[in-house]
Amino acid sequence: QKEVEQDPGPLSVPEGAIVSLNCTYSNSAFQYFMWYRQYSRKGPELLMYTYSSGNKEDGRFTAQVDKSSKYISLFIRDSQPSDSATYLCAMSTSGTYKYIFGTGTRLKVLA
Amino acid sequence: GAVVSQHPSWVICKSGTSVKIECRSLDFQATTMFWYRQFPKQSLMLMATSNEGSKATYEQGVEKDKFLINHASLTLSTLTVTSAHPEDSSFYICSARGIAHYNEQFFGPGTRLTVL
Repeated sequence: QKEVEQDPGPLSVPEGAIVSLNCTYSNSAFQYFMWYRQYSRKGPELLMYTYSSGNKEDGRFTAQVDKSSKYISLFIRDSQPSDSATYLCAMSTSGTYKYIFGTGTRLKVLA
Repeated sequence: GAVVSQHPSWVICKSGTSVKIECRSLDFQATTMFWYRQFPKQSLMLMATSNEGSKATYEQGVEKDKFLINHASLTLSTLTVTSAHPEDSSFYICSARGIAHYNEQFFGPGTRLTVL
């Protein structure tokens, strides 16, 4: 079993839809949870950074962490064609600074 | 703020040659830099972690004599792929972490290596 599981997609949605992206994990020691957006042939761009459980909102993006279920989510409201990219979740334990990435979910927002 | 650059953005080389990739933190001091490898449609796999002024720590299965990492200053780390072979062709991405950023990593734009 992989430490971090993420559905690779592709996920296709119409413009304006609410997108839900998810990751599950097995290591209960993970404390930091990140979401990155990666366009084709580019480096990952940090979208959300969360410590421990709870919700965090930034513009159209909301990150949720449920440590009891070992489940994290990223919601994108009012999705745009420019949101079409691969979304990677990443996690780390306290003090190691090593990130474990999910496989990434390819999102396509159709105009 | 927190910008990381990589050079070159892409490189094509012949089998058996060595290739050096640079990773620079442009507006912060990077106490730790990380090197990742990414195959098409796959996730990022950590290759090694380097702290300024000390030897890099390699992940299991990564050959340290093949992938030489140097982190000589707080703004520069280099990855040298020695005696490159076609199976080394991949997308190499670095990230950097500064003292002020605690656990956050900021990624460079990546370098695409093609070995003929």
